[in-house]
Amino acid sequence: EVQLVESGGGLVQPGGSLRLSCAASGFTFNTYSMNWFRQAPGKGLEWVAYISGSSSAIYYGDSVKGRFTISRDNAKNSLSLQMNSLRAEDTAVYYCARGGMGANWGQGTLVTVSS
Amino acid sequence: DVVMTQFPLSLPVTLGQPASIFCRSSQSLVHSDGNTYLNWFQQRPGQSPRRLIYMVSDRDSGVPDRFSGSGSGTDFTLKISRVEAEDVGVYYCMQGTHWPWTFGQGTKVEIK
Repeated sequence: EVQLVESGGGLVQPGGSLRLSCAASGFTFNTYSMNWFRQAPGKGLEWVAYISGSSSAIYYGDSVKGRFTISRDNAKNSLSLQMNSLRAEDTAVYYCARGGMGANWGQGTLVTVSS
Repeated sequence: DVVMTQFPLSLPVTLGQPASIFCRSSQSLVHSDGNTYLNWFQQRPGQSPRRLIYMVSDRDSGVPDRFSGSGSGTDFTLKISRVEAEDVGVYYCMQGTHWPWTFGQGTKVEIK
């Protein structure tokens, strides 16, 4: 069974940094691309970042480009999102998702950016 | 960026009756590889999103066959042949043809 478990969310001040992690199991991690999506409170879904299985291809949404960095450790079946220069509008539940088209999602981790 | 427009945004439905949600993109979603990367997601209250349909009309494993997707180019439809109580939630279309990937605003399905 595919399992994706996000962690690392919490309260951070504007301008601060946070690192999210996603532990993957139940599939051959290095053969799948991975994504981060987010959902602000009461709002719709937004794609954040994509990384291919070998990390050779990486893409970001316009709103996070230059501030967020997606990475993966295939030896540890782990996906990460380093978030710098956080803004109030980055407040959201962040989900990791498997596959190029988001076939499976984790339960999410809440990031709150507030002073 | 490709703008995805869904309608209606709210859809009250009667149990056992059909329901359709429409999604229109601001440009063609036909990829240079010939595929059309249009997905549909369901988000039940308090849950994570779940993909129902990928590449316009392919149903994900475990998705009931009352859900179907159709369309081409810029116009797409998600149809529920007979709505059940467990179908309540918000439905999103998402395009994965052009970077950045973008979602529709969501359609809230509720029981009348």
